Amino acid sequence: QVQLVQSGAEVKKPGASVKVSCKASGYTFTSYYMHWVRQAPGQGLEWMGMINPSGGNSNYAQKFQHRITMTSDTSTRTVSVELSSLRSEDTAVYYCARDHGGNWNYEGYWGQGTLVTVSS
Amino acid sequence: DIQMIQSPSTLSASVGDRITITCRASQSINVWLAWYQQKPGKAPKLLIYKASSLESDVPSRFSGSGSGTEFTLTISSLQPDDIATYYCRQYKKDFPFIFGQGTRVEIK
Repeated sequence: QVQLVQSGAEVKKPGASVKVSCKASGYTFTSYYMHWVRQAPGQGLEWMGMINPSGGNSNYAQKFQHRITMTSDTSTRTVSVELSSLRSEDTAVYYCARDHGGNWNYEGYWGQGTLVTVSS
Repeated sequence: DIQMIQSPSTLSASVGDRITITCRASQSINVWLAWYQQKPGKAPKLLIYKASSLESDVPSRFSGSGSGTEFTLTISSLQPDDIATYYCRQYKKDFPFIFGQGTRVEIK
């Protein structure tokens, strides 16, 4: 069965960077895009971008274009997202989510979420 | 960007009621729409994809319909376990992908 296990909670100061990882199992890692979605406290879901673990090409939401990097490591079946220049508004739960399947990109399987708190 | 507008923001209904949530896209997205259920403190769960296809293991009281710019999620008989926030999400190949703002469903 598909399993996505994310790294633990982080507390960062404004201006710092954070890297959240997501270890996948139960399927062919390189066959499905992985998305990153975040949710600020009490707010809705916000799509940040997606990465093709086979080759590493990615698409980012314009909002994050200059401070986000998504990577994948096929040897460890892990994808990661790094967000730099953190501000208080980046406090959120960050989810990785695998494509459902087929040729269309939408989230079918989700990780448990990682809380990132940005506070001085 | 394609914008997704959900209504209502909050819906209060009784157990057994039929409820409908609407999602409108700012331009046509054909049938490239998914619906998610999110319970407090949990990750979202896929309910419906391609506007009307039911994900496996999702109860049949959930259904989706629509195409183009207007879509609905219907729960035919509301159950206590359905208390959650529901989101639509377009996936027409036009970045960025956008979620609706969510509809919170409560029991009256």
